[in-house]
Amino acid sequence: TQLLEQSPQFLSIQEGENLTVYCNSSSVFSSLQWYRQEPGEGPVLLVTVVTGGEVKKLKRLTFQFGDARKDSSLHITAAQPGDTGLYLCAGAAGNTPLVFGKGTRLSVIA
Amino acid sequence: GEEVAQTPKHLVRGEGQKAKLYCAPIKGHSYVFWYQQVLKNEFKFLISFQNENVFDETGMPKERFSAKCLPNSPCSLEIQATKLEDSAVYFCASSLKGVSNQPQHFGDGTRLSIL
Repeated sequence: TQLLEQSPQFLSIQEGENLTVYCNSSSVFSSLQWYRQEPGEGPVLLVTVVTGGEVKKLKRLTFQFGDARKDSSLHITAAQPGDTGLYLCAGAAGNTPLVFGKGTRLSVIA
Repeated sequence: GEEVAQTPKHLVRGEGQKAKLYCAPIKGHSYVFWYQQVLKNEFKFLISFQNENVFDETGMPKERFSAKCLPNSPCSLEIQATKLEDSAVYFCASSLKGVSNQPQHFGDGTRLSIL
């Protein structure tokens, strides 16, 4: 069974601080997706990383896929209250279902 | 449509009653997925369809849960003889192609409360 360990589970920071969320597995994934979910809504895809070592940037968000394609990180620079939400990583391997991490609930305080 | 549409938004059932949830995928998307989100965080995969055919049902509880995707109708997830533990938010997602590397577009979920 493939598992994705996501950490930290909860994170509360002040506006302007930086943070990193980690997603780790002992399994290799063909791609890893990061989603953000707001209360009362479904997850919305932020990015998909496919190549080992790949780095993608989305404004203040930087996503990295590990060289061995077993882990990924999401780094947010100068967090803002609008970044508050649940961040989920999800791994894909062939035609098996997406494996979701348990999520990181981020709260950015003004 | 341009969005995955799930109905109803909220559903309340007494323990032992039946619950039926609906999902209209994005037009043109061939794959539909059902997930159960418990404790506001953890997503559990239930079942996926490729058009009207079951693609992967490894996450479906063997009893009480069933799902269909029929042509020209919304997909549905039905739970017979509901139990308290079935209380969760059920999400439907659709994608253009199969799982690997393809983004899944999620609906806003159906919150099922079993009393």
